[in-house]
Amino acid sequence: DGGITQSPKYLFRKEGQNVTLSCEQNLNHDAMYWYRQDPGQGLRLIYYSQIVNDFQKGDIAEGYSVSREKKESFPLTVTSAQKNPTAFYLCASSMGGPSNQPQHFGDGTRLSIL
Amino acid sequence: GDSVTQMEGPVTLSEEAFLTINCTYTATGYPSLFWYVQYPGEGLQLLLKATKADDKGSNKGFEATYRKETTSFHLEKGSVQVSDSAVYFCALSDPGTALIFGKGTTLSVSS
Repeated sequence: DGGITQSPKYLFRKEGQNVTLSCEQNLNHDAMYWYRQDPGQGLRLIYYSQIVNDFQKGDIAEGYSVSREKKESFPLTVTSAQKNPTAFYLCASSMGGPSNQPQHFGDGTRLSIL
Repeated sequence: GDSVTQMEGPVTLSEEAFLTINCTYTATGYPSLFWYVQYPGEGLQLLLKATKADDKGSNKGFEATYRKETTSFHLEKGSVQVSDSAVYFCALSDPGTALIFGKGTTLSVSS
């Protein structure tokens, strides 16, 4: 079955450490997205990519980095510069660009600080 | 800028009650509108969508009508079930922009 796989489901970060969240899709979608979800805050866009080797910052990109070397993969690195990384991270993809296209979501990664 | 406002939750209902979750939006263009649902510990699933004024999206007994004159996209269901307990997100997408989400409304249905 086609879908989006996020791993790991739970992740713990030590102070000063970078961690990478994995997102893989086999839907043959061009666009991929990373969101951060905090209680009572809804979803906020971190980064998105419409094609391979290209990506754009979202509303809260500071302290995060991404790469898009393959169509299927869009990993997110939470750097030590992100001072409040504890949150639920959701990856999504869509067929075309971000407008008018429903996005398909993975099951998320919950990141916590040790 | 564009924004989405949802009614505050939580919404607590008995099984078979009527559900309304209000959603209003502000947009500069002609956005598409969406409702997503999130079950505990999971990602979001698209529930329904509408791409132009007066369109009605529907799925699994849920409905929402795109009302341009009131800039609203309220979610309704005639008879809720315990299995409908989840967080519901209203979202919009203006051409050339990514999805903008409301803060979510938690629905709890008891038997």
